[in-house]
Amino acid sequence: EPEVTQTPSHQVTQMGQEVILRCVPISNHLYFYWYRQILGQKVEFLVSFYNNEISEKSEIFDDQFSVERPDGSNFTLKIRSTKLEDSAMYFCASSEVASSGNTIYFGEGSWLTVV
Amino acid sequence: DQQVKQNSPSLSVQEGRISILNCDYTNSMFDYFLWYKKYPAEGPTFLISISSIKDKNEDGRFTVFLNKSAKHLSLHIVPSQPGDSAVYFCAASSITTDKLIFGTGTRLQVFP
Repeated sequence: EPEVTQTPSHQVTQMGQEVILRCVPISNHLYFYWYRQILGQKVEFLVSFYNNEISEKSEIFDDQFSVERPDGSNFTLKIRSTKLEDSAMYFCASSEVASSGNTIYFGEGSWLTVV
Repeated sequence: DQQVKQNSPSLSVQEGRISILNCDYTNSMFDYFLWYKKYPAEGPTFLISISSIKDKNEDGRFTVFLNKSAKHLSLHIVPSQPGDSAVYFCAASSITTDKLIFGTGTRLQVFP
């Protein structure tokens, strides 16, 4: 069964450092997402991406965050200067078409620890 | 943002019996609802969904019921199995947004 894959599974970084989280969405999917879950909290939407541009972003997704689809398969989330409060599990997701009325499939997650 | 609520943080059920997980929402614009299962340190796994034009959707042991007037949905698992032990999240979306709004989750434990 096709799946969303993410790397790394776990990364520890120092505060202020840049981090890039990588994702390979399901191959025929057109919509890509990043969500995150801070420990003990709910899963939160960060950003959606379609047709090589951001289609929607949350208030969490500030100037420190950026997304990119550098080639035909990868989808990346960059955190420019990490803060302690960025420590969370980051989930990449994809869907065939826009999320409403359609299923979003999630990757296994990348656990980011900022120290 | 409390648009989707799961008021029971945990539920314990004996193997073979029915598990009922509940979810309430406040936004009447939501038109699609999903249930995800999540194990620790893994991503949410899609289980079942329902459109707002329906009131029931069934897939094997899993059935989701939607009561639009009460803004309430529930997931029934019958019979429950120990492998069902996980955290269950309900999520909602609307045509006006790309994002899923998740509830806080209910931890289900199925014991022998």
